[in-house]
Amino acid sequence: DIQMTQSPSSLSASVGDRVTITCQASQDISNYLNWYQQKPGRAPKLLIYDASNLETGVPSRFSGSGSGTDFTFTISSLQPEDIATYHCQQYDNLPFTFGPGTKVDVK
Amino acid sequence: EVQLVDSGGGLVQPGGSLRLSCAASGFNFSSYGMNWVRQAPGKGLEWVSYISSSSSSIYYSDSVKGRFTISRDNANTSLYLQMNSLRDEDTAVYYCTRESTGGAFDYWGQGTLVTVSS
Repeated sequence: DIQMTQSPSSLSASVGDRVTITCQASQDISNYLNWYQQKPGRAPKLLIYDASNLETGVPSRFSGSGSGTDFTFTISSLQPEDIATYHCQQYDNLPFTFGPGTKVDVK
Repeated sequence: EVQLVDSGGGLVQPGGSLRLSCAASGFNFSSYGMNWVRQAPGKGLEWVSYISSSSSSIYYSDSVKGRFTISRDNANTSLYLQMNSLRDEDTAVYYCTRESTGGAFDYWGQGTLVTVSS
């Protein structure tokens, strides 16, 4: 199975800050990497697909980059409504696997 | 509007069975692969099972293989997960998800909680 790691596991930032989360795969997954946002008590929501493509309707302050084994997710200017846990997920190989999540808080 | 509505969760004893359902609407259900993803309390997301649009391809995670069965009814736009021989570690919120043509889970149900406990 492909193992996904994320760092940091949690972070606290101020409104307007740039926030960066990294995700690493245990083997090359090309660009088969998605990012999801999950607010407390809610289902996850797709934000970024294929490593860098913004899902329709998602604000442009969210972005993704990377390929191979190393990926980055960025919020260019953190907003209060961005309080959530962010998950990366690979779909290069079955079983599809998720990272452990990064909890983002606002100071 | 795409909608996925999960149901069927509840409290069950170890070794028991449950059948989860996902009612889909707002899109051409028979054209999309579907998945079940679960999340144990306070834990991360875990993919459980996939079924292709025509049910010709089905896959399971090792943790549920041989105990869970995924199925779908395209005429009634519904997805199912039959769960047998349930264990404590199957306790989780179960989400049905639609798989986009690119492989992402682009729509999710609201989730249904399964609690396995004596």
